[in-house]
Amino acid sequence: EAGVAQSPRYKIIEKRQSVAFWCNPISGHATLYWYQQILGQGPKLLIQFQNNGVVDDSQLPKDRFSAERLKGVDSTLKIQPAKLEDSAVYLCASSLVKGVGVFGPNEAFFGQGTRLTVV
Amino acid sequence: SQQGEEDPQALSIQEGENATMNCSYKTSINNLQWYRQNSGRGLVHLILIRSNEREKHSGRLRVTLDTSKKSSSLLITASRAADTASYFCATLNQAGTALIFGKGTTLSVSS
Repeated sequence: EAGVAQSPRYKIIEKRQSVAFWCNPISGHATLYWYQQILGQGPKLLIQFQNNGVVDDSQLPKDRFSAERLKGVDSTLKIQPAKLEDSAVYLCASSLVKGVGVFGPNEAFFGQGTRLTVV
Repeated sequence: SQQGEEDPQALSIQEGENATMNCSYKTSINNLQWYRQNSGRGLVHLILIRSNEREKHSGRLRVTLDTSKKSSSLLITASRAADTASYFCATLNQAGTALIFGKGTTLSVSS
């Protein structure tokens, strides 16, 4: 079974530029998450999709971050304009059913992440 | 906000020794999960313990849960160099739909 695919693996941009990350979840996984992981910290949830609808985006800085999941499969996360403090690893994860730990399998599957450096 | 807090932040041991990491959390939980993250990689699920369980084993891993103290521990027995990684505990958010992670414990196992 293929895992969660993310691209690019690395990205370096200047502040105020824009950047986009792409995620392809495991086939059949209805739920998709984007996490931000700053160096030395644990992942922080940015947004959660159930199919192509947003379940939770309460911690997404909506003035500069946006995300979409068209057709309920692939997802893109965009930052525009980027700030120095956006430097982090952006992790995409998926799970089989609605939410983790609610019904069925309780684990989330993570991609390898995109390391963003804003200079 | 982060739910769990791991302790210690960093741990260095020799191969063959046991490694113990602790996690404290704030609110009531349905389950608590432990994940491993190798340098530059994504997180990998290790083990899940439900709120009505006190101890669970998986290979060289042993997890305990004390809901009265809102704490959990992860024990890795007979550590190997390949166990070098960061370890995170995670609980569900209030809606029960997404994982909330602690800051992690960085484990270094030297041969």
